[in-house]
Amino acid sequence: QVQLQESGPGLVKPSETLSLTCAVSGYSISSGSYWGWIRQPPGKGLEWIGISYHSGSTYYNPSLESRVTISLDTSKNHFSLKLTSMTAADTAVYYCARSHYFYYHMDVWGGGTTVTVSS
Amino acid sequence: SYALTQPPSVSVSPGQTATITCSGDKLGDKYVSWYQQQPGQSPVLVIYEDTKRPSGIPERFSGSNSGSTATLTIRGTPAMDEADYYCQVWDGSVVFGGGTKLTVL
Repeated sequence: QVQLQESGPGLVKPSETLSLTCAVSGYSISSGSYWGWIRQPPGKGLEWIGISYHSGSTYYNPSLESRVTISLDTSKNHFSLKLTSMTAADTAVYYCARSHYFYYHMDVWGGGTTVTVSS
Repeated sequence: SYALTQPPSVSVSPGQTATITCSGDKLGDKYVSWYQQQPGQSPVLVIYEDTKRPSGIPERFSGSNSGSTATLTIRGTPAMDEADYYCQVWDGSVVFGGGTKLTVL
């Protein structure tokens, strides 16, 4: 059974960089899937952040692309999100998920981690 | 950028059929996925590639996609299906619809 678990700081100061990690169990991230991040601001809908493949192929939300990096660590079977220049608008629940290689639907999700941006 | 439009809310009586729509330009040319999100929970994939159900998703969930509209249908809707539902496509990046709150009452 594939499981994903997010970890990282629950509180980030404005202008700082958010770093989150998603630990994957039951499946190798070197296999044929994309791995990515989605967020959900309080009371709002889902916002896709981006995905990455073990070959290095990445796709990012155009509205966040200048601030986002998603990377995979196959030795630890986890992947990470870095989001720079955080503001209050980045306050959200952040989910990691596995995406289908070709059609990009997300079939396995982590439980989510809440990130608040505040001084 | 590509946009998907969903009704903010849909109501259905228990045991009846719920229909949630998702519209977009030439949507029928793309594959649509649907996610269910219960309050305080992570989203769950309920339909992918327009009509396919993942393992473990009840048969009462079905999907269709033609023209500019995709539809998620829930037959015999039980109270437990009260949740937010999101459609999603790939258009060079993942695009989500704004979500529909399904109320079963």
